[in-house]
Amino acid sequence: EPEVTQTPSHQVTQMGQEVILRCVPISNHLYFYWYRQILGQKVEFLVSFYNNEISEKSEIFDDQFSVERPDGSNFTLKIRSTKLEDSAMYFCASSLTARDLHFGNGTRLTVT
Amino acid sequence: AQSVTQPDIHITVSEGASLELRCNYSYGATPYLFWYVQSPGQGLQLLLKYFSGDTLVQGIKGFEAEFKRSQSSFNLRKPSVHWSDAAEYFCAVGAKDMRFGAGTRLTVKP
Repeated sequence: EPEVTQTPSHQVTQMGQEVILRCVPISNHLYFYWYRQILGQKVEFLVSFYNNEISEKSEIFDDQFSVERPDGSNFTLKIRSTKLEDSAMYFCASSLTARDLHFGNGTRLTVT
Repeated sequence: AQSVTQPDIHITVSEGASLELRCNYSYGATPYLFWYVQSPGQGLQLLLKYFSGDTLVQGIKGFEAEFKRSQSSFNLRKPSVHWSDAAEYFCAVGAKDMRFGAGTRLTVKP
């Protein structure tokens, strides 16, 4: 069964650095998402992306964050100038219909 | 605004006992509802979903959930819990900007 893949599985970065989290969605999917889960807390919506533009974003998704689909297969989340509170598990998801999300296994981001 | 409430932070059941995890939602229209399971250090696995139609939906691993519009609920049930069911369970509502509940951690006693 096709799946969403995320790399790396664990990323450690220093405060103030930029990180790029990578995702390869399921190949025929059209809708793409990023969620995050701070340790011990709920899964929070960050952003959805369709037709090469952001379709929805949460209050968390401020100017520090950006998303991009640089080619036909990757979907990236960039975090500029990381803060300690950005430490979390980041999940990518994709969907064919925007009703049925398939999640990757996540990237654990640790900001030191 | 859509939101999800899972009233139980942690539930412990004995292996073989029945299970019900509660979920209440707030949504302006007919909701899309989901239950996901997350094992430690793992991603989110979809157990089941409700879009429309029959209000009792069957999922994987023997789980089912019932949509009750009058109670704004979508409770997850399993008649007989297995030790491997120990995990975190998340109820979610919506689609383009899916909102998750805070989760219920399930512990299974031998």
